[in-house]
Amino acid sequence: DTGVSQDPRHKITKRGQNVTFRCDPISEHNRLYWYRQTLGQGPEFLTYFQNEAQLEKSRLLSDRFSAERPKGSFSTLEIQRTEQGDSAMYLCASSGGLVDQYFGPGTRLLVL
Amino acid sequence: AQSVTQLGSHVSVSEGALVLLRCNYSSSVPPYLFWYVQYPNQGLQLLLKYTSAATLVKGINGFEAEFKKSETSFHLTKPSAHMSDAAEYFCAVSDQVNSKLTFGKGITLSVRP
Repeated sequence: DTGVSQDPRHKITKRGQNVTFRCDPISEHNRLYWYRQTLGQGPEFLTYFQNEAQLEKSRLLSDRFSAERPKGSFSTLEIQRTEQGDSAMYLCASSGGLVDQYFGPGTRLLVL
Repeated sequence: AQSVTQLGSHVSVSEGALVLLRCNYSSSVPPYLFWYVQYPNQGLQLLLKYTSAATLVKGINGFEAEFKKSETSFHLTKPSAHMSDAAEYFCAVSDQVNSKLTFGKGITLSVRP
């Protein structure tokens, strides 16, 4: 069990550029979650997958955001046409059941 | 809808003193409740969880929390603070069907020598 990993750990981009983040969950965890955490706030739910199926998306996930988990293993989160308001820490978590989400270290995005 | 309230944003205690971090929740269904800790520039680590078994839950690093349904509370305590406990602490709630977490705003714990 190597834990949840995320790549990159840090990303600086210019407004209007597209960015993609990757999350590798704990092996055989069937649930994968994405959260966004802004400075001074708790994480906010964005979306989650059970295997390859995306089962729920938050209203926070605008049309510029898309997430995939093509083979039920790793997941990607893409933000198109980034805005300064997208600057945040993007956290991924995985779960092997209904409880115990294990979090990755996060990807910190800064949009200039 | 579920929600979590963590009053105050910062708590400061002396090393060796009692730690008490408050959490109140709102849920229309029996909740699962969690406390997570976050160290700077790191992800969240689960401290403890309540899943409708014992109301007094013991976690890692000497922390414990008590579920009080009548008060809709799940306060986190530790009898004696250590310098290494300085971090940000988040309380979270989920329902029993869809386990997405709803977090509070977090509390920063400082420990004075």
